[in-house]
Amino acid sequence: NAGVMQNPRHLVRRRGQEARLRCSPMKGHSHVYWYRQLPEEGLKFMVYLQKENIIDESGMPKERFSAEFPKEGPSILRIQQVVRGDSAAYFCASSPPGTLSPLHFGNGTRLTVT
Amino acid sequence: GNSVTQMEGPVTLSEEAFLTINCTYTATGYPSLFWYVQYPGEGLQLLLKATKADDKGSNKGFEATYRKETTSFHLEKGSVQVSDSAVYFCALNPNQAGTALIFGKGTTLSVSS
Repeated sequence: NAGVMQNPRHLVRRRGQEARLRCSPMKGHSHVYWYRQLPEEGLKFMVYLQKENIIDESGMPKERFSAEFPKEGPSILRIQQVVRGDSAAYFCASSPPGTLSPLHFGNGTRLTVT
Repeated sequence: GNSVTQMEGPVTLSEEAFLTINCTYTATGYPSLFWYVQYPGEGLQLLLKATKADDKGSNKGFEATYRKETTSFHLEKGSVQVSDSAVYFCALNPNQAGTALIFGKGTTLSVSS
């Protein structure tokens, strides 16, 4: 059973370009979470999605950031018009239904904005 | 609100030393508590968990006890190894519908031989 798959592992974008980060959850998992990790700040929650629904996006910046988890295919975190401050490691996690289920994390996408 | 506070690192120990990483939380309701570990270049892995007061989670020689009276979930290991060098995150699940895990800032552990 493959784990949570994120790609790409490393992504370099110039300021103003768009970044697309993909996450395929573990088989049987219908809940996806995106977190951002910055040095000295730990993991910050961004968004929680179920298939075709955004459950909680309270951690998402109001502009330039969006996320989706379509009925078919991976979850996508999209960052438009990237700026240097978007450089970070972005982690996706998934879980089966149930509030007590632990999260399973992918290895992350490290975004560098030049 | 819900939050997690863990001791700042880095923590530097010699092999076979005793480890404690403090974690305290604030929460409404009855949260579940977790410790995750992140090795260099990798994602987070669940290390152990406790779902109710007085539960003790344990794994790979690590232990943590859910203390409701002190709102704490300190991570301990009796004898650390070089391979334990990693970043450790304390996390809280509020167990409320539609809420995600809340993480502490992480504590870097470095063990030397």
